[in-house]
Amino acid sequence: SQKIEQNSEALNIQEGKTATLTCNYTNYSPAYLQWYRQDPGRGPVFLLLIRENEKEKRKERLKVTFDTTLKQSLFHITASQPADSATYLCALSVNDYKLSFGAGTTVTVRA
Amino acid sequence: DTGVSQNPRHKITKRGQNVTFRCDPISEHNRLYWYRQTLGQGPEFLTYFQNEAQLEKSRLLSDRFSAERPKGSFSTLEIQRTEQGDSAMYLCASSFGGAEETQYFGPGTRLLVL
Repeated sequence: SQKIEQNSEALNIQEGKTATLTCNYTNYSPAYLQWYRQDPGRGPVFLLLIRENEKEKRKERLKVTFDTTLKQSLFHITASQPADSATYLCALSVNDYKLSFGAGTTVTVRA
Repeated sequence: DTGVSQNPRHKITKRGQNVTFRCDPISEHNRLYWYRQTLGQGPEFLTYFQNEAQLEKSRLLSDRFSAERPKGSFSTLEIQRTEQGDSAMYLCASSFGGAEETQYFGPGTRLLVL
């Protein structure tokens, strides 16, 4: 069966450190993968998209890698700040319109 | 505000009642999606519209659920004869359409069925 797994544990890190989140998938062949941020009681907000032929993508303090052989994406937040505290969702493309989401990883950045 | 809007933001109802939610997508977006999200889980796909045509419905969408998008603009999601298991956050998203789907989500409607 198809499965998307993100870090099972919440991540608690000190301000200024790098947070690394994982997204592993089975029985998918996504053309692209996306990361979204979700704050409590709000809808997800798009952060980054990476295509199957791209190894790495960056946006400001965010970096995403995509390894289609390992069937894994890593999401890094460098120089983390308390404002980065949120739940981060990995989403895989199922076809040209449909996304399948992981359960998310909650990140808390301590000042 | 030109983002996706949803109304109401919160709804409390008694089991067996009907509820209807509304979603107003970003105006130039031709694709509209409904998702359901329960605590600790990611959004689960419910249904998808391309303009006014409903092109896919998840098996999660029982016959008590119906969605419409008249004239390809706003959309409504109705749940008939609500059950306690329907309690969840209902999210609407919209997109331009194309090879890569970046979806823009609304704030959601939180439904509690007593």
